[in-house]
Amino acid sequence: NAGVTQTPKFRILKIGQSMTLQCTQDMNHNYMYWYRQDPGMGLKLIYYSVGAGITDKGEVPNGYNVSRSTTEDFPLRLELAAPSQTSVYFCASSYSITSTGDAYNEQFFGPGTRLTVL
Amino acid sequence: GQSLEQPSEVTAVEGAIVQINCTYQTSGFYGLSWYQQHDGGAPTFLSYNGLDGLEETGRFSSFLSRSDSYGYLLLQELQMKDSASYFCAVNSNYQLIWGAGTKLIIKP
Repeated sequence: NAGVTQTPKFRILKIGQSMTLQCTQDMNHNYMYWYRQDPGMGLKLIYYSVGAGITDKGEVPNGYNVSRSTTEDFPLRLELAAPSQTSVYFCASSYSITSTGDAYNEQFFGPGTRLTVL
Repeated sequence: GQSLEQPSEVTAVEGAIVQINCTYQTSGFYGLSWYQQHDGGAPTFLSYNGLDGLEETGRFSSFLSRSDSYGYLLLQELQMKDSASYFCAVNSNYQLIWGAGTKLIIKP
């Protein structure tokens, strides 16, 4: 199993450009997540998905969009890139959580995409 | 608001024991997770506490006290490869809320 894969690894964008960060997992996980991590900081949740066709906002969704048409893929779209979006982006996946909402299941992370907006 | 507090940096000697504390204040709480992240790498899962008490996994142990909104990660027999950042994260309402991380520096 490849686990969680992300492309590209690095990208430089100009202000106002758009791009899509790709994320694929081959573990048949229902839950997928997009995080951003700024230098010296923890991870901030951008969007998450509990299954194909279902997505929801996290803590910092502004400036981003997602879709989940299949179990495997969860792309993140940046529209009108801004310098504030310079960050490392991580995609993660996990098994379904319990009916009580306990998301304790281990999250598996991709290697990250390092994005710079100039 | 929601917040997690953990020390920004801890220094220890190879072979020693170190404890990284985490206090939290969140609107929903199902448990506390710990992740390790090496420089330039992705976070990897270390442990989870859903109930009060101690969980042990090899050289690493994690503790939770729900009444005190407090937990810690204990690393024993430190090795140079343990040099990394360690994050506590609260499982809350289908999400993980992350602390800012503790950079563990290990000296020979």
